[in-house]
Amino acid sequence: AQSVSQHNHHVILSEAASLELGCNYSYGGTVNLFWYVQYPGQHLQLLLKYFSGDPLVKGIKGFEAEFIKSKFSFNLRKPSVQWSDTAEYFCAVSNSGGYQKVTFGIGTKLQVIP
Amino acid sequence: DARVTQTPRDKVTEMGQEVTMRCQPILGHNTVFWYRQTMMQGLELLAYFRNRAPLDDSGMPKDRFSAEMPDATLATLKIQPSEPRDSAVYFCASGLSGEQFFGPGTRLTVL
Repeated sequence: AQSVSQHNHHVILSEAASLELGCNYSYGGTVNLFWYVQYPGQHLQLLLKYFSGDPLVKGIKGFEAEFIKSKFSFNLRKPSVQWSDTAEYFCAVSNSGGYQKVTFGIGTKLQVIP
Repeated sequence: DARVTQTPRDKVTEMGQEVTMRCQPILGHNTVFWYRQTMMQGLELLAYFRNRAPLDDSGMPKDRFSAEMPDATLATLKIQPSEPRDSAVYFCASGLSGEQFFGPGTRLTVL
């Protein structure tokens, strides 16, 4: 069974600080990887995704993530956060064939202080 | 701008009552998911359909929950009877090739 681990449950940063949120997954096969964001009171929206190709993926709003296969990791980064990035961030993994069930991590709450 | 729609957006009901939540997936998407989100448990997968067939409902309490897709434009999640511990936000998502698009959610409060 696949699983996703997000290391930081609550992160507090000042505006302009750099962000890195950790995500590790466990699955024996080929995977698709995602980061979703949930702003307060809203539904989940896709930030970025990795299916294949360049392991450095760029998403919306200046976010990027790097897939490191040897480490089973897909960490999310942003060089300079803004107050509007305050939200909850979910890492997710799906197997790339057949069933395509998506498993979500528990989420990381990011609070950006102006 | 295609999006997943859910109704109702908010539902307050009393314990023991039946609750039905509806979801209209994005046209052309072949997968539909139901999730429940609470502060304590986070995001939990309740049920998963592909091409309208239920593939996985292992996350759903079978005695009171049921999920169906009567046609390609409608997915339903029913709770009967509802209990206070069912209070949560229920999200529907539809997808293609592993990527999911979430609806706005139904906030359910069972008193």
